[in-house]
Amino acid sequence: GAVVSQHPSWVICKSGTSVKIECRSLDFQATTMFWYRQFPKQSLMLMATSNEGSKATYEQGVEKDKFLINHASLTLSTLTVTSAHPEDSSFYICSAREAYRDQPQHFGDGTRLSIL
Amino acid sequence: DAKTTQPTSMDCAEGRAANLPCNHSTISGNEYVYWYRQIHSQGPQYIIHGLKNNETNEMASLIITEDRKSSTLILPHATLRDTAVYYCIVRPRDDKIIFGKGTRLHILP
Repeated sequence: GAVVSQHPSWVICKSGTSVKIECRSLDFQATTMFWYRQFPKQSLMLMATSNEGSKATYEQGVEKDKFLINHASLTLSTLTVTSAHPEDSSFYICSAREAYRDQPQHFGDGTRLSIL
Repeated sequence: DAKTTQPTSMDCAEGRAANLPCNHSTISGNEYVYWYRQIHSQGPQYIIHGLKNNETNEMASLIITEDRKSSTLILPHATLRDTAVYYCIVRPRDDKIIFGKGTRLHILP
């Protein structure tokens, strides 16, 4: 079945640094990728939608200058958390949808980010 | 997006069928019913989806009422590994997924 891979699976870094998370579709071309964030004991919250070769569309309340998204190819999207602070600590999950729209959206296994 | 209503939590004995209900009384004609689940500390896993006909795959069955205002996800022989949060999502086929709170399913040994 379709597989979405995220890297790294967990990261710990100091406050003020920037962190990049990669999301790859391994066996299909993803015209659209999504980024979600999940805090403990809460549901997933959609942060942004990105289409290959165009700017991402951010959900209300999500700072686009804080969370930089790049979707440069049909198999790779990246999320960069810039100048990360402890409140940015969360579980970040990417998702990808195949070019053929009758396929379901598939999710990666997430990246656990801890900012000290 | 049409809203969905799911019970907060459910228990099911191991080996029995787990029946998870979902109400979506405001569903539109072009909206599909999708089910995903999230096992602790993992990303969501796609289970099944349907428009108006009942569907079955290797994981589960999806029963949609004739008026499409509710549906039931059936895990035919639940195992401990089926313990997860199950999300019922209603949306047009090519729209983004917005997650609700889901149902926390506990499979009891």
